[in-house]
Amino acid sequence: DAGVIQSPRHEVTEMGQEVTLRCKPISGHDYLFWYRQTMMRGLELLIYFNNNVPIDDSGMPEDRFSAKMPNASFSTLKIQPSEPRDSAVYFCASRPDRLISGNTIYFGEGSWLTVV
Amino acid sequence: AQRVTQPEKLLSVFKGAPVELKCNYSYSGSPELFWYVQYSRQRLQLLLRHISRESIKGFTADLNKGETSFHLKKPFAQEEDSAMYYCALSNAGGTSYGKLTFGQGTILTVHP
Repeated sequence: DAGVIQSPRHEVTEMGQEVTLRCKPISGHDYLFWYRQTMMRGLELLIYFNNNVPIDDSGMPEDRFSAKMPNASFSTLKIQPSEPRDSAVYFCASRPDRLISGNTIYFGEGSWLTVV
Repeated sequence: AQRVTQPEKLLSVFKGAPVELKCNYSYSGSPELFWYVQYSRQRLQLLLRHISRESIKGFTADLNKGETSFHLKKPFAQEEDSAMYYCALSNAGGTSYGKLTFGQGTILTVHP
C-alpha cells in the first residue's frame, strides 16, 4: 500500500480564497483523522471520521473550516475563506479497527499551506 | 477530557549523552500511550507504544500511572535521533474511542 496520500503537498494562496485539501486513506482503514500542525500549538486534532461518519469535530476552529468524507477512500478539508493564521501543515491520518492494530494511526506526508 | 503535556519545547544534548523527553498526561480512564517521531519535513511515524513494552532505536518508555507520565528515554543519544518527538494518548473506549491527542512536541537536537 502507498500509505496515506495527501494533496496538494504545498499550497500558497491569497487571503480570502477557498482552499481544499484532499486525503486518500489506506485501503481498509475505518478511521480517518485531520490534524493541523503549527509551531505554537503543535498537533491539533481537527476532526475524525469512523466509517465515513464524523465522530468528533470539536477541534474545528470555526465555521470557515469544513470536512467531508463522501466514501471510504476519500476525504476533503475545506477552508473558506482562508486567512493568514490558517497557515500550517495539515496532516491526514488513518487506521483500521483497533482489533487489527490497536490505536496506532498512520500519517500522510502533510499539506503545507501558506496563506498570504 | 484528555490532555498531554510535554513541558520541554526544545532539548539539546551531545552525542553519547543520555536523553529523556518528558510526557505527562491527564485522563480519567485507562489510556493507551504512544511516542511518534517526525524527522525533518517527513511524516510522523510511530516510534513505540506502551502496551508493546518494546525498545525501538534504543528508545524505551515506561508508563507510570501513579505519576501519570510516559517519559521517553535513551541511554546514549545519536545525531540521527535529532527530530521532533510527540507523545500521544488514545482512548481505550467510550464515546470518543480512537481519538488520539498529541502533546505540543519536543524538538530534540543531538550535537556531535
